[in-house]
This record gives sequence, structure tokens and C-alpha cells, in this order.
Amino acid sequence: DTAVSQTPKYLVTQMGNDKSIKCEQNLGHDTMYWYKQDSKKFLKIMFSYNNKELIINETVPNRFSPKSPDKAHLNLHINSLELGDSAVYFCASSQGYTGLAFSGANVLTFGAGSRLTVL
Amino acid sequence: GQQVMQIPQYQHVQEGEDFTTYCNSSTTLSNIQWYKQRPGGHPVFLIQLVKSGEVKKQKRLTFQFGEAKKNSSLHITATQTTDVGTYFCAGPWRSSGTYKYIFGTGTRLKVLA
Repeated sequence: DTAVSQTPKYLVTQMGNDKSIKCEQNLGHDTMYWYKQDSKKFLKIMFSYNNKELIINETVPNRFSPKSPDKAHLNLHINSLELGDSAVYFCASSQGYTGLAFSGANVLTFGAGSRLTVL
Repeated sequence: GQQVMQIPQYQHVQEGEDFTTYCNSSTTLSNIQWYKQRPGGHPVFLIQLVKSGEVKKQKRLTFQFGEAKKNSSLHITATQTTDVGTYFCAGPWRSSGTYKYIFGTGTRLKVLA
């Protein structure tokens, strides 16, 4: 049973199209994230939700819209895809988001990733 | 904003050699995490360090948190081909009342058999 599952694993599409990536976690975690990993392997946080509430919204184009219908699901919709959107998108979850030193709640569990290629 | 740099960016070693990656933060961290990402895979949590000067071991891996809590290192003794991958450190950064984990730039390790 996969802890954090994302679909689809691969996505190839044309510029200008709209696409969605779905994520589900069965760990009972309160916090979910979207990270983007570019071709240089840099991992950057995009969004974070805690119990369906948006708590982190990095400087990401408005074309990216996350949606969390419940705390176990976090989807990412991308409008008007551009070449620069090509990357691997990782969903992740954690028990919480306190950042406190002694809290194991901060540990991130990642999904397998969704590789988006925009042609 | 917070920056977390890792060096080296790439490292090729012969199997059996040791390997070290260094992580440096622009700010003091309350804790630091290390993750490993195998080629084609996803980041997997390895360990979290919280105390100044802390040293933790996992078999051939030794993790250290600096005294000033601004740097950390991961040392692998006698590398094996299974150690191949990218190693990331990550530290919490407080922003707008919440925390987010900023990932380091990563060190890609290749082990030659």
C-alpha cells in the first residue's frame, strides 16, 4: 500500500494545454506539499496545505492552482502550460509543519513523482 | 531568504572509497534533515539532527550537526554501488507564521565499481 501516491507518473503535453496531477496520502498526515524538481535536481517548495487550508504559497505563477478537497488529497492544476513548466513534480506529506527542533512531525514522505514534459 | 548550499555538487568515487557532502545554511537552524534520492526515484528521509554538535550513525553513514547549527555533513565510509544517488539536506525556515523546509542544492554521488 503506497503511502503517498501521485497520478499520472508521466505527462507529455503541448504548450498551452491544461493538465492536472493528483496526490493522495494514507498516512493520516495533516500537511501536504507540492515540490518542483528541475533538470538540475533543485527541489523547490511550491505550496503547502494543512488540514485543507493553504499555508504556504511560494512565488508561483497564477497558472498553478492547488486544491485540497480533504486532508488526504492535494491536487495541482496547471493552466496554459509553458516549456519552462517541464519538471518532476513531487507531492509530499508530513504529520505537521511546526519546524520545531524535537518534533518528528516535520519529516516529509514523498510520492514517486510526476514527470511533466511540455513540448 | 534562507539559502542552503551543499558541496560538492557532484562526486565520483571508486567503490570502497569514502565520501563526504557538506551542507551550509545562511541562518541558524533548529534542526536539519537529510534525504537520499536514487536515480529516477524520490527523496527518502534518512535522519534528523537537532542538537548542536550532534553526531548520529546509521551503519556506514555518519551525520553531524555543526556547533553553531548552521552547517551539517554526511560521511559515507567505504561506499558501495547502492549508495549512488543525490543527497539533500533540508532545514526549516519560518515564513509568514509557518515553517517550510528549504532543500539544499544536493550532491550527486556516483560510485564506480
